[in-house]
Amino acid sequence: DTGVSQNPRHKITKRGQNVTFRCDPISEHNRLYWYRQTLGQGPEFLTYFQNEAQLEKSRLLSDRFSAERPKGSFSTLEIQRTEQGDSAMYLCASSPGPLGQFFGPGTRLTVL
Amino acid sequence: SQQGEEDPQALSIQEGENATMNCSYKTSINNLQWYRQNSGRGLVHLILIRSNEREKHSGRLRVTLDTSKKSSSLLITASRAADTASYFCATDPLILGANSKLTFGKGITLSVRP
Repeated sequence: DTGVSQNPRHKITKRGQNVTFRCDPISEHNRLYWYRQTLGQGPEFLTYFQNEAQLEKSRLLSDRFSAERPKGSFSTLEIQRTEQGDSAMYLCASSPGPLGQFFGPGTRLTVL
Repeated sequence: SQQGEEDPQALSIQEGENATMNCSYKTSINNLQWYRQNSGRGLVHLILIRSNEREKHSGRLRVTLDTSKKSSSLLITASRAADTASYFCATDPLILGANSKLTFGKGITLSVRP
């Protein structure tokens, strides 16, 4: 257990539905990252927060995706109008600086 | 896009043997990190080596970095069945404003037979 928690751990939804995931980072970490991992691949960067500011978004983050980190604490990732291609593991990581990230257990999304 | 490429893609060894995994990358880096992932779970940070370091040790782990060849290796000595997992190298790029977002390879699947 790295101290980063994610909920839910698994989500099954039908195509077209909206889903929201939550990440609770280690409390003193000001940096928070979201990654997406598909089967047989390494994680790919989605977005980055420093405190409450979203400082970077990947091209992978289409306009159906939105992420927030109100008050610089927990973060949410919402996917609107889900598609089957959104099926993946969504990983959250936090860090106090540039020397290593602490990953949560991930949320596995299945879009039927 | 995946910057790192690990080699081999899969490795099967007997308990007690050493496991060597290699990683190559493309762009200049601040540091390179190795992570382990057990099936269906999150990643665990193993070791970080800075671009000005050549070798680092942590317990049974030894990592080397050759920035001229843009490559790294991870050695796990005296392997155990519990080391069975996927291993990923990840690079922190040397780009202004990169925010330390990591670029991962596809991973190496290590199986340690009891």
